[in-house]
Amino acid sequence: AQSVSQHNHHVILSEAASLELGCNYSYGGTVNLFWYVQYPGQHLQLLLKYFSGDPLVKGIKGFEAEFIKSKFSFNLRKPSVQWSDTAEYFCAVNWDNQGGKLIFGQGTELSVKP
Amino acid sequence: GAGVSQSPSNKVTEKGKDVELRCDPISGHTALYWYRQSLGQGLEFLIYFQGNSAPDKSGLPSDRFSAERTGGSVSTLTIQRTQQEDSAVYLCASSLTLLAGADTQYFGPGTRLTVL
Repeated sequence: AQSVSQHNHHVILSEAASLELGCNYSYGGTVNLFWYVQYPGQHLQLLLKYFSGDPLVKGIKGFEAEFIKSKFSFNLRKPSVQWSDTAEYFCAVNWDNQGGKLIFGQGTELSVKP
Repeated sequence: GAGVSQSPSNKVTEKGKDVELRCDPISGHTALYWYRQSLGQGLEFLIYFQGNSAPDKSGLPSDRFSAERTGGSVSTLTIQRTQQEDSAVYLCASSLTLLAGADTQYFGPGTRLTVL
């Protein structure tokens, strides 16, 4: 069965530090890749997605992610985090032969200290 | 415009009772998805609908779980004879189409189910 793995369960950073959250997925064909964010008390919202074209994708709030096909990875980055980035981040993958369903990673809780 | 809405926001029930959870997708979205978010299991896919049909029910954990969608809009997830392990947040999402897996899924606020 396809799977998605996020390496960090809880990351603690100070404001202005750089962020990189890892995401790897299992082989299974063509993929569409997503990062969702869940701020405290709010529902899941899309940060960015990749489905074709430039493997470096830019999203909202200064986030970006790079799709590296050879490594089955889609890591999320931000050069300088803010306290307001405190949230849980989920990597999700859709395999083209699996309809529209998303398989999520376990999530990474990010805490940013002011 | 209005997003995905779910009701109730919270549901507390006793073990063995049936519960119904409702999802109103974004108007015009033909695809609708149910997921479950729990501490031990993370975010799990349950079922999706294209129109009123459910091509993939593979994520439903047992035959106590069922879902339907009527009129290509509202969906109801029913859990019969609830068990304590059913306690979770049940999330609904919708997307414009199912034809492209790259379509963004927009999530509702969820229903928090607690089974005592």
